[in-house]
Amino acid sequence: DQQVKQNSPSLSVQEGRISILNCDYTNSMFDYFLWYKKYPAEGPTFLISISSIKDKNEDGRFTVFLNKSAKHLSLHIVPSQPGDSAVYFCAASGATGANSKLTFGKGITLSVRP
Amino acid sequence: NAGVTQTPKFRILKIGQSMTLQCTQDMNHNYMYWYRQDPGMGLKLIYYSVGAGITDKGEVPNGYNVSRSTTEDFPLRLELAAPSQTSVYFCASSYGVGFYEQYFGPGTRLTVT
Repeated sequence: DQQVKQNSPSLSVQEGRISILNCDYTNSMFDYFLWYKKYPAEGPTFLISISSIKDKNEDGRFTVFLNKSAKHLSLHIVPSQPGDSAVYFCAASGATGANSKLTFGKGITLSVRP
Repeated sequence: NAGVTQTPKFRILKIGQSMTLQCTQDMNHNYMYWYRQDPGMGLKLIYYSVGAGITDKGEVPNGYNVSRSTTEDFPLRLELAAPSQTSVYFCASSYGVGFYEQYFGPGTRLTVT
């Protein structure tokens, strides 16, 4: 049973436009949501996070939006750059106990066309 | 500051062989993790540790063992390798759980034939 779902396996956008990557979750005990970026032959690197008490967190070109009632979050990249081409993983965890371990989605492959 | 290092980068094993994947971190993190990533899938937690001497199973622990004798090192042991263990293995560490980001190593690509 997938608790974190990234239903679109890939996304292609033009350089300079907005990239919107979506993520849905089912576990209402999740309190923290993180996005990781992964280039081929490298380990994932942390990109941005949001806690459940917020509905938006912004860091430069990257903004994450959280809709708790819909159990949905999205990562916006504006403007998109060719160097953003990578696999993006959505991950979630609770604050304590069994839910405190990160659960990852399957990832979305983003391609930014020059 | 090297972060999280893993060795080897690549390995081919025959069915039934054993090996140890090495992981070291130099950030003095208490929490360490082993994940595997299969093609088209997310990362699945194999084992984790909350400090030296303390380890626990994750989502997919069968066929693996771990130990944590020091804060820095968290080796993953594969006994009697099987083709189903063909995957990319990532080690990670973090200061805490939940909100705290995990720092990942570069991965070990393992093929069992």
